[in-house]
Amino acid sequence: DGGITQSPKYLFRKEGQNVTLSCEQNLNHDAMYWYRQDPGQGLRLIYYSQIVNDFQKGDIAEGYSVSREKKESFPLTVTSAQKNPTAFYLCASSISITYGYTFGSGTRLTVV
Amino acid sequence: GESVGLHLPTLSVQEGDNSIINCAYSNSASDYFIWYKQESGKGPQFIIDIRSNMDKRQGQRVTVLLNKTVKHLSLQIAATQPGDSAVYFCAEIYTGANSKLTFGKGITLSVRP
Repeated sequence: DGGITQSPKYLFRKEGQNVTLSCEQNLNHDAMYWYRQDPGQGLRLIYYSQIVNDFQKGDIAEGYSVSREKKESFPLTVTSAQKNPTAFYLCASSISITYGYTFGSGTRLTVV
Repeated sequence: GESVGLHLPTLSVQEGDNSIINCAYSNSASDYFIWYKQESGKGPQFIIDIRSNMDKRQGQRVTVLLNKTVKHLSLQIAATQPGDSAVYFCAEIYTGANSKLTFGKGITLSVRP
């Protein structure tokens, strides 16, 4: 089955540590995205990538970093510079930026 | 700024009734709209989409209506079932270069048995 996989489902991090969230897709989609969702809030765009080796900042990129070395993979690193990292993180992909997105099942990050 | 918003934060309906979820958008250039359903602890799932050259599109038990004059989008769910309980998001995009989806805050649909 084609799909988009996020791992791990739950992640705990100590303050001051960097942590990397995995996102893999086998849909052959060119575009990939990272969103953050806080309780009772909508989706806020962190970073997106339209093609391999290229990515752009979204609305809330500060404290985050990404890479897009392979078409299938778009990992997100939450750095210690992110002041409030506890949230639900969603990865998505699309054939192109003009099509709807397919979402992963999310990673819930908690800073302890 | 331009944004996508929803009129009501929660909607409670009786099982078997029809549900109508409304969404206002402010970017008149948007030409593609999507409704997503998000169950608790899961990622959003695509429900139905519509392009700006249409005003109505039907799926299985769902209908999306687009009124470009007043920049309004609605999702109608027929014979609402307990499994329809979720948060629903509308999203808009202008399919020009470098555009991306903008999501509304979401509305919770609660189905009473």
